[in-house]
Amino acid sequence: EIVLTQSPGTLSLSPGERATLSCRASQSVDSSYLAWHQQKPGQAPRLLIYGASNRATGIPDRFSGSGSATDFTLTISRLEPEDFAVYYCQQYDNLPLTFGGGTKVEIK
Amino acid sequence: QVQMVESGGGLVKPGGSLRLSCAASGFILSDHYMSWIRQAPGKGLEWVSYISGSSSYTKYADSVRGRFTISRDNAKKSVYLQMSSLRGEDTAVYYCARDKRGTYWGQGTLVTVSS
Repeated sequence: EIVLTQSPGTLSLSPGERATLSCRASQSVDSSYLAWHQQKPGQAPRLLIYGASNRATGIPDRFSGSGSATDFTLTISRLEPEDFAVYYCQQYDNLPLTFGGGTKVEIK
Repeated sequence: QVQMVESGGGLVKPGGSLRLSCAASGFILSDHYMSWIRQAPGKGLEWVSYISGSSSYTKYADSVRGRFTISRDNAKKSVYLQMSSLRGEDTAVYYCARDKRGTYWGQGTLVTVSS
């Protein structure tokens, strides 16, 4: 099983600041099969990024993904008030499909 | 627009059974893998199962294999999760999602396993 470790667990930032979220895999993941999801309290997750760097439909360009093999990054260039949420990385390359434990981005 | 609506959740006793449904609209269901993903209260996301567009391939997490069965009826635009021998650790919100990567998610249905 591929274990995804997200860091930090919590990120305290102010609106307008840059957020950098990390996702590290226990073994190499084909970058074509790495996704990032956003989840707000009481809501279902929403796909932000797939294939490590492709924005999903309707996702603003302040969200970007990068990385390969075992190290992946989600960057939010300038935080908007609606971006404070929990973010999960996911690999859908190998069975079982797995998610990271999440990074909470909170208002400082 | 793409939409998935889950139903069938509720309170069930340990050892009991429940069948979840996911009604899909806004896309051609048979063109897509469909997944079930769950989230225990206050916890992260856990993949449960997926099924290919033609039902040829089904896969399960170890934690549910042998107890849960995924199926679909493309004509009825629906995906199902039959859950049996339920345990307390199965308590979660169950989400239906399109594709293995979760391109779109339903709003979820809560399953509570408790005596």
